[in-house]
Amino acid sequence: DSGVTQTPKHLITATGQRVTLRCSPRSGDLSVYWYQQSLDQGLQFLIQYYNGEERAKGNILERFSAQQFPDLHSELNLSSLELGDSALYFCASSVVGGYGYTFGSGTRLTVV
Amino acid sequence: DQQVKQNSPSLSVQEGRISILNCDYTNSMFDYFLWYKKYPAEGPTFLISISSIKDKNEDGRFTVFLNKSAKHLSLHIVPSQPGDSAVYFCAASPYSGNTPLVFGKGTRLSVIA
Repeated sequence: DSGVTQTPKHLITATGQRVTLRCSPRSGDLSVYWYQQSLDQGLQFLIQYYNGEERAKGNILERFSAQQFPDLHSELNLSSLELGDSALYFCASSVVGGYGYTFGSGTRLTVV
Repeated sequence: DQQVKQNSPSLSVQEGRISILNCDYTNSMFDYFLWYKKYPAEGPTFLISISSIKDKNEDGRFTVFLNKSAKHLSLHIVPSQPGDSAVYFCAASPYSGNTPLVFGKGTRLSVIA
């Protein structure tokens, strides 16, 4: 157990739907990062939150949004889902000033 | 534009031999480099890192080499074991910590007994 908890582990939904992925960071970590891993792609950075505020944005589609709550857990909302959104979505957290981070086990999203 | 490139999608090595995984980067602002290992159905786990002020860092069977002038780093695993079979991701970070890591696409290592 890495200390970073992601739910659900698997999600199957239809095109056009909206889903919410949840992440609880490791205790004491203020930063949360979301990454997407599609087939044959590396880990693509989506968005970072630090202590409740958006800190950095990567290749995140406008249909996607995220937030970090006062208890530091984070949610990634994916809407108007398309087949191409099928991927593994990872959340990671890090300590202040740290270079590396700890990943959760991911949510596998399948859009049918 | 891929800033971190792992040009070998896969590598197969015999047990006991050396595994060498390579990584190239293009952004000269990167000054900290990490390797992560990923097993199926799990998230990536941190393996080893190196700062740009060093050219080598060793941790047991794992050694990372950094050649800044060539913008190239490599991970050596000696001796390779079947349990090392996994996908290895190279990642890089710019000069300040707590910023998003940039990852390569990964290299799948298969260690054959």
